[in-house]
Formats: sequence, structure tokens, C-alpha cells
Amino acid sequence: NAGVIQTPRHKVTGKGQEATLWCEPISGHSAVFWYRQTIVQGLEFLTYFRNQAPIDDSGMPKERFSAQMPNQSHSTLKIQSTQPQDSAVYLCASSFWGGNYAEQFFGPGTRLTVL
Amino acid sequence: GDSVTQTEGLVTLTKGLPVMLNCTYQTTYSPFLFWYVQHLNEAPKLLLKSSTDNKRTEHQGFYATLHKSSSSFHLQKSSVQLSDSALYFCALSLYAQGLTFGLGTRVSVFP
Repeated sequence: NAGVIQTPRHKVTGKGQEATLWCEPISGHSAVFWYRQTIVQGLEFLTYFRNQAPIDDSGMPKERFSAQMPNQSHSTLKIQSTQPQDSAVYLCASSFWGGNYAEQFFGPGTRLTVL
Repeated sequence: GDSVTQTEGLVTLTKGLPVMLNCTYQTTYSPFLFWYVQHLNEAPKLLLKSSTDNKRTEHQGFYATLHKSSSSFHLQKSSVQLSDSALYFCALSLYAQGLTFGLGTRVSVFP
């Protein structure tokens, strides 16, 4: 079991450029979550998918951020026109859709640095 | 909205001593509470979870009891080890939604 895979592990972009982050959930998991981690804000929920369908994007900034899950084996988080305040570690997690106790397994994260 | 409060940002202590990390929460619903641990440069991993009022849950020497009357889910360990040095997050979830995390408590254990 390879766990949740996130690529790239590190990404550096210039202000105004686009960044696409990839997540491969654990095989058989039907829920995928995206979080953002900064020292100041801690871990913040962004969005999640269940059986590839978007369920809750209440944590996503309304502009420039979008997420997709085109198939059960990967999800992407895209940030358009990146800004320095987007610098953070972006974490993907997956879980079985087992109801309330569905443990979320986190990937190692992608550290995004916007210069 | 829902929120989780961890009052200690940093806890430093000597190996072998007990530790308690505070966690309180606010929600209008019946939540599920979790403790996650994140070692340096690693992904957060689930340490404990509970939704049952007044029932102690234990794992790897750590334990916590969910008290709905006081909206608390404090994490304790009777004797910390050097390997317990990490970042600890308390989190809540409402029916398999995204987790709402506290800001985290960094624990540093010294010899």
C-alpha cells in the first residue's frame, strides 16, 4: 500500500503563474479531501469529493482556486495567477466512505512557494 | 461556524513526565473528535478518535475522553518519550465531512 501520493513534493512559481497539484488517493478509497497548511492558519479544509463528485467546497477561495476529480485514481488542485499568500503546504487525504469514523489518510503534501 | 481551540502553542517537557494537551470545540451538532499527530516533514496521522460521551479511548499510550458537557477532548499521556516530539492537532468532523482543525500544539520532549 503506497499510501496517498502527492506530486510534486515541492513547487516554486512566480507571482501570477499557474500551479497544478496532483493527488492519487489510496486504491479503494472513495472520498478525497484537500487541505492547506500554514504556520499562521494551521490546517484548513478546502474541498472534498465523494465518488468523484464534488460535495463541499466551502473552504475554497472563490477566486483562482479550483479542484477536479476526473477519475477515481486522481484529483487535481489548480491555482491560477498564484500570489505570495498562496504559499503553503497543500495536503490531500483519502478515506473509505464508511460514515462518521472514516479515518482520513494524509499524503506527504506539496509545498508551494510563490515568489 | 464550527471551531476547535487548542490553548497551548508549545509544550516543552522532560522525558518520562506526563502531558496533557487541551482541546475544546464549538458546534451545534454532535461531532466526531480526533487527535492527529504530525512528525517533522511527515503527513498527519490519526492518533485517537471518539464520538461517545464520557468514554475513554486509548492508542499508543495516549488517551482522551470526550466530554460533551464541557465540549472537551483533552489528550493525555502518563509518560512521554523522545519520539513523542511532534505537532498535535485536535479536529472535529460532522458526519464524514472535512475536518476542522485546531491550530496545533507543538510538543518538544527533552532527555
